[in-house]
Amino acid sequence: DAGVTQSPTHLIKTRGQQVTLRCSPKSGHDTVSWYQQALGQGPQFIFQYYEEEERQRGNFPDRFSGHQFPNYSSELNVNALLLGDSALYLCASTYTGTGLYGYTFGSGTRLTVV
Amino acid sequence: GDSVTQMEGPVTLSEEAFLTINCTYTATGYPSLFWYVQYPGEGLQLLLKATKADDKGSNKGFEATYRKETTSFHLEKGSVQVSDSAVYFCALSDRGSGYSTLTFGKGTMLLVSP
Repeated sequence: DAGVTQSPTHLIKTRGQQVTLRCSPKSGHDTVSWYQQALGQGPQFIFQYYEEEERQRGNFPDRFSGHQFPNYSSELNVNALLLGDSALYLCASTYTGTGLYGYTFGSGTRLTVV
Repeated sequence: GDSVTQMEGPVTLSEEAFLTINCTYTATGYPSLFWYVQYPGEGLQLLLKATKADDKGSNKGFEATYRKETTSFHLEKGSVQVSDSAVYFCALSDRGSGYSTLTFGKGTMLLVSP
């Protein structure tokens, strides 16, 4: 059974560009959350999608947006990239009914902004 | 808001030594508590969890007990191995807020030498 799949694995972008990261949740999961993990820090919650709607959002600017598709997969878009957006972006999925019991994380997309 | 505080690392131990990584939390509701582990270049893996006071989570020789009176969830292992070298994150999920998202500590790096 495949877990959470993220693509691409690594990405290098130039400041001011736009980027799209992709996530396929674990089979049976319907909720997708995105986290940003800066070097040496714990993951920070960006937003969560359920039933194709943004259900909750962390303290991130509007440059960060997302989408969830009918098959529960999700995209994270970041516009007008800044050097400070360089980080590991993690996707995590769960089934809403069992959210108390933890999430399954993907291996992440390493974004470098130059 | 919710927060998690972990002891600073790195924690450096010899193989077969006893491990304790301290974690305390602040939450408005009745959180579930988690320990995640991150090996170099990888995403997060759920190590163990506890969903209510006095619960003990355990996995792969690691244990942690949910202490509501001291708002703590310290991670312990009786005899560490070199393969345990990784970064450990304490996290909480507060369903009392109506949604289930994870709040992480900054992580504690564990280095085990032969």
